[in-house]
Amino acid sequence: GQQLNQSPQSMFIQEGEDVSMNCTSSSIFNTWLWYKQDPGEGPVLLIALYKAGELTSNGRLTAQFGITRKDSFLNISASIPSDVGIYFCAGRGAGGTSYGKLTFGQGTILTVHP
Amino acid sequence: EPEVTQTPSHQVTQMGQEVILRCVPISNHLYFYWYRQILGQKVEFLVSFYNNEISEKSEIFDDQFSVERPDGSNFTLKIRSTKLEDSAMYFCASSDGNEKLFFGSGTQLSVL
Repeated sequence: GQQLNQSPQSMFIQEGEDVSMNCTSSSIFNTWLWYKQDPGEGPVLLIALYKAGELTSNGRLTAQFGITRKDSFLNISASIPSDVGIYFCAGRGAGGTSYGKLTFGQGTILTVHP
Repeated sequence: EPEVTQTPSHQVTQMGQEVILRCVPISNHLYFYWYRQILGQKVEFLVSFYNNEISEKSEIFDDQFSVERPDGSNFTLKIRSTKLEDSAMYFCASSDGNEKLFFGSGTQLSVL
């Protein structure tokens, strides 16, 4: 089946630093999404990307849909303590995959030191 | 802001017992989903449901699993005879037909 490889697995940064994480796949995806999960909570949608090359921002977050449709990255600028959590990439595969059947990456655990 | 609500937040059961996990999707959404997350692993798709029937299911969703929309607001996942390996966080999600899924806070299922 389709798989998403997300890196890095974890990051430890100082408050104020910028963060970058990415997802790659050997398969083409039609849609890329980035979610954040806080402890004991469900994933919360941060950004959705629909076109190859698309660059979208949501406040301090910026994400891009790779030109090859096989990768995406998420950047967080000027990190703050509440950015702590697990960030997941997710994608809807090509080839007739239904809209709600998402494939998730393994997640990036982000720790921000004040 | 509308949200997906799941109950209970934690469920402990004995192996072989039946469990029903409950969800109230966002009221104007018509597409419903169950995903699960085994501790430390990625979130995995189980099943999608639309117009009172299953649209798609994964290989995880075997005959022990079933879903139902018993009334106009609830969406349930039943596991008929739980196994140890069913222990996981189960997430309900809903959407209005696109990829933007809204997830509930999950039910942590522990099978002993």
